[in-house]
Amino acid sequence: HLGESGGGLVRPGRSLRLSCTSSGFTFADFPMSWVRQAPGKGLEWIGSIRTQFWRGTTQYAASVRGRFTISRDDSAGIVYLQMNSLKTEDTGIYYCTKGNEYFDFWGQGTLVTVSS
Amino acid sequence: DIQMTQSPPTLSASLGDRVTITCRASESVIDWLAWYQQIPGAAPKVLIYKASTLKPGVPSRFSGSGSGTEFTLTISSLQPDDLATYYCQQYNKYPWTFGQGTKVELK
Repeated sequence: HLGESGGGLVRPGRSLRLSCTSSGFTFADFPMSWVRQAPGKGLEWIGSIRTQFWRGTTQYAASVRGRFTISRDDSAGIVYLQMNSLKTEDTGIYYCTKGNEYFDFWGQGTLVTVSS
Repeated sequence: DIQMTQSPPTLSASLGDRVTITCRASESVIDWLAWYQQIPGAAPKVLIYKASTLKPGVPSRFSGSGSGTEFTLTISSLQPDDLATYYCQQYNKYPWTFGQGTKVELK
């Protein structure tokens, strides 16, 4: 199970941190990713974080690189998405996913709305 | 970035029909391709990975084929639960990219 939280309404230029809690698998053994979906649109990969075996390295889409940061707390089984300098085009449902290449399991998503 | 193009954007079919969705990549992704199903209001779920490997638990009426730049997802006999939007996704080269989706609806 994956469960996202932290979404909501935020003004452009502000920050928001999403959390994704896990259960039912050994969290530390798996890379994790975030994928978003703008209203009525398709899917966009945002970024991924590897396991500590691979030093927890991260990769990001160009659209969020430098503004968004993914981190993980293996002891708590949580992956985070820190979103800074938010733009109206960041509005959408944000999904936490298990996996780094294809996305094996998805949370239910949390809605982020960036609007003035 | 690798562009993924799906066709058709919308597919109208009858229950029991054989349905085929095509996904083309702007360059070779070898066989690093996945297919997802998204039912309205729900999160996507993976059906197939590595172009043709069915995720355990996914009905056997779903199948995937292809390599390089051209791939297909086939539903052998369309069922009511299959009315959804389907996406392909390449994971050969960063950034991972998705097709724009194919909506399967009833004729």
